[in-house]
Amino acid sequence: DVKVTQSSRYLVKRTGEKVFLECVQDMDHENMFWYRQDPGLGLRLIYFSYDVKMKEKGDIPEGYSVSREKKERFSLILESASTNQTSMYLCASSPGGPRTDTQYFGPGTRLTVL
Amino acid sequence: GQQLNQSPQSMFIQEGEDVSMNCTSSSIFNTWLWYKQEPGEGPVLLIALYKAGELTSNGRLTAQFGITRKDSFLNISASIPSDVGIYFCAGYGGATNKLIFGTGTLLAVQP
Repeated sequence: DVKVTQSSRYLVKRTGEKVFLECVQDMDHENMFWYRQDPGLGLRLIYFSYDVKMKEKGDIPEGYSVSREKKERFSLILESASTNQTSMYLCASSPGGPRTDTQYFGPGTRLTVL
Repeated sequence: GQQLNQSPQSMFIQEGEDVSMNCTSSSIFNTWLWYKQEPGEGPVLLIALYKAGELTSNGRLTAQFGITRKDSFLNISASIPSDVGIYFCAGYGGATNKLIFGTGTLLAVQP
C-alpha cells in the first residue's frame, strides 16, 4: 500500500510566521504535489515536483515555496503566513512511467492562521 | 481552476440502497480516478480507470470509463453507514495534462 504521511494533522500559527509543512512518501514515487482544499473551491494545485530539486508552479503558487532535497520528501513553505492561507493542505504523490497520473494523498494538514 | 461537473451534489439514502453518481467533462481524458474523502481526512483512491469502456470493481464499488472518454460513473451497491463521505472524480489528460477534480458528491447513509 502507498503511504503518504504529513508531519502535522492540525497546526495553528500567527500572521507573519514562517510555516513548514512536511510530506513523506514511502513508495519511491517520482512525482509529488501540494494542494489546498477550500469549501466551494475544491482542490487547487499549489506546486509540484517531478524530480529531486525540481519544482513547478501550480495554479496558485503565490505566497508559497517548496523544497525537494530528497526523493521521498516534499516540503511546503509559507514564507509569511496570512489569514487567507487558513486551509486544508493535502500532499500527494504519483509514480513515474505509465501510471504517473494516479495520485495518492496524505491525510492532510488543517492549518489555521490567526 | 477548472473543475469537472459531478452529479448529484448530494445524496441521502437508506442503508442497503444502491447509489449511482457520474462525472462529465468537456475535454477528453486518458485516465479517470475515483476518490472518497471522510471529514478531516485526505482523499483515498478507490478505483483507477485507464481505458475507454473499462469497467472495474473494488468490492461493492464499480466504476466505468465512458466510451466518449468525457465521462465516468461510480456505483455503490448495498450501501452501509461507513460509506458516508464525499466522493470525488478526477480526470487526467485533456488540454492541461494535469489532474482535474470533480465538485464532489456528498453521500449520507441512514442506518
